[in-house]
Amino acid sequence: EPEVTQTPSHQVTQMGQEVILRCVPISNHLYFYWYRQILGQKVEFLVSFYNNEISEKSEIFDDQFSVERPDGSNFTLKIRSTKLEDSAMYFCASTRTPRRRGNEKLFFGSGTQLSVL
Amino acid sequence: AQSVTQPDIHITVSEGASLELRCNYSYGATPYLFWYVQSPGQGLQLLLKYFSGDTLVQGIKGFEAEFKRSQSSFNLRKPSVHWSDAAEYFCAVGPLGNTDKLIFGTGTRLQVFP
Repeated sequence: EPEVTQTPSHQVTQMGQEVILRCVPISNHLYFYWYRQILGQKVEFLVSFYNNEISEKSEIFDDQFSVERPDGSNFTLKIRSTKLEDSAMYFCASTRTPRRRGNEKLFFGSGTQLSVL
Repeated sequence: AQSVTQPDIHITVSEGASLELRCNYSYGATPYLFWYVQSPGQGLQLLLKYFSGDTLVQGIKGFEAEFKRSQSSFNLRKPSVHWSDAAEYFCAVGPLGNTDKLIFGTGTRLQVFP
């Protein structure tokens, strides 16, 4: 089965530093997503991205966050100035078509564990 | 607001025993329902999904789930658990209305004893 790849698997950073989390979606997919899970809490939607622009974002996705597809294969999540509460597991996901159609399978990566000290 | 509740944070079963993981949702209409599994070091893998039709759905790895509209539930079951089933299990609903996102529960960690 095709895979979504995320790097690094673990990232440790100091509060206030910028981090970039990287994802390589499945090659023929067009819709990309970031979710995160703070330890002990729910997996939460952050943002969806299509055609080089944000389709939808949650309240969590404030001005400190940004996403980019810098080339034909990578999809990145940048946190400009990390806070302690940004510590979480961040999941990238992709689909071929929009999930509003309901029956499209969402492929997730294995996640990046971000620890902000 | 839409929500998903997984009442059991942690479940321990013996290998070979049956398993039921509970999931309740809150939504005005019949949602799309999913169960995902996350093994250590792995991504979220789709076990099964319900969109419409037969309320008992079969998934991978011998799992099944039953949608009960009257109880707003979508419980995951397996008749005989294997040690390799030890993982975190997430119930999710979506997409809802005009949004593309999935709403997840907090997850249930399954531990399997030999």
